[in-house]
Amino acid sequence: IAGITQAPTSQILAAGRRMTLRCTQDMRHNAMYWYRQDLGLGLRLIHYSNTAGTTGKGEVPDGYSVSRANTDDFPLTLASAVPSQTSVYFCASSDAAGELFFGEGSRLTVL
Amino acid sequence: SQKIEQNSEALNIQEGKTATLTCNYTNYSPAYLQWYRQDPGRGPVFLLLIRENEKEKRKERLKVTFDTTLKQSLFHITASQPADSATYLCALGSGGSYIPTFGRGTSLIVHP
Repeated sequence: IAGITQAPTSQILAAGRRMTLRCTQDMRHNAMYWYRQDLGLGLRLIHYSNTAGTTGKGEVPDGYSVSRANTDDFPLTLASAVPSQTSVYFCASSDAAGELFFGEGSRLTVL
Repeated sequence: SQKIEQNSEALNIQEGKTATLTCNYTNYSPAYLQWYRQDPGRGPVFLLLIRENEKEKRKERLKVTFDTTLKQSLFHITASQPADSATYLCALGSGGSYIPTFGRGTSLIVHP
């Protein structure tokens, strides 16, 4: 059982470059989320999707975009990366009970 | 503004003792509260969920209390073991969206 799969696990990126973090789930959950985790700041919601075809903004959406073409995939795109986007990014999905299932994270460094 | 507070200082305890972690919140009317465990370099893992109308919930060595008057949840690990060492996150879900908002987490270190 894979659960949530994120790719890449780690990436170093030059500022100004475009980057897409991939997230795939095999649990058929309707809701999916992207969080970033920074030391001292905890997990902060970037974008979410309650169901395929819909997305919403979280606490820190600026500089990021998402799409939800189907139930399983929820990619996060940085159109033009900046150093402040250096972080660990976690994708998650949730079942009807509200429990979140997280991926193992994508560690992104923007130079 | 809404705030979730978890002790930023690590909690150090001896093996076999009960660990108690605190999650306080302000300006929230949570429908539920969750606790997650996170190991270094890994994603958070769900442990327990307690709803606003529940006072206490247990799962094996874990116990969570939820006091909506005090605006506080306590998370207990009884008979703690070094393998329980990790960061523990609380998360609140409130309002129509029910999207959980996370606290910053507290690190627990259990010494053998």
